[in-house]
Amino acid sequence: EVKLVESGGGLVQPGGSLRLSCAASGFTLSSNSMNWVRQAPGKGLEWLAYISNRGSLTFYADSVKGRFTISRDDAKNSLYLQMNSLRVEDTAIYYCARGYASGPPTGHWGQGSLVTVSS
Amino acid sequence: DIQMTQFPSTLSASVGDRVTITCRASQGISRWLAWYQQKPGKAPKLLISKASTLESGVPSRFSGNGSETEFTLSITALQPDDFATYYCQQYNNYMWTFGQGTKVDIK
Repeated sequence: EVKLVESGGGLVQPGGSLRLSCAASGFTLSSNSMNWVRQAPGKGLEWLAYISNRGSLTFYADSVKGRFTISRDDAKNSLYLQMNSLRVEDTAIYYCARGYASGPPTGHWGQGSLVTVSS
Repeated sequence: DIQMTQFPSTLSASVGDRVTITCRASQGISRWLAWYQQKPGKAPKLLISKASTLESGVPSRFSGNGSETEFTLSITALQPDDFATYYCQQYNNYMWTFGQGTKVDIK
């Protein structure tokens, strides 16, 4: 069974940093691209970042470019999102989502990790 | 960047109704479009990919149509379990984009 489990969320002050992890199981992580998507309270879905199956290609939404970094460690079956210079508007549930090697979504998402940015 | 405009934002319907949600892309995306259903507190669930391909286990009352810039999701004979929020998503390139969502609630 494919499983994605996010961790690392919590309360952080504006300007602070946080690293989210996404533990993958039930499939070969190295064969898939991966994404981070977030959802602010009561709002819609916002795609944030993409990393290719070999980690050589990354893309970011303008809203997080220069502040967030997506990375992967296939040996640890893990995906990461390093979030720096956090803002109040970054408060959201953060999901990792699996994609095929060519990019389309597979439909597998984690349960989400809540990040709250507040003083 | 490709923008997705989804409407209506809210749709009130009754059990048994047929409902249609529309999604427009700011540029042609062929048929690289997915539809998701999301319920409160849960991750989105993929219903349809490639504009009209039903995912395994999704009831046949759901159907998708369209290409390039105009897409629709239809639900025939709405069931109690279908009251939820629906999102379209383009994946024409590596940078996904979602529509704003349509909440289907009980009339």
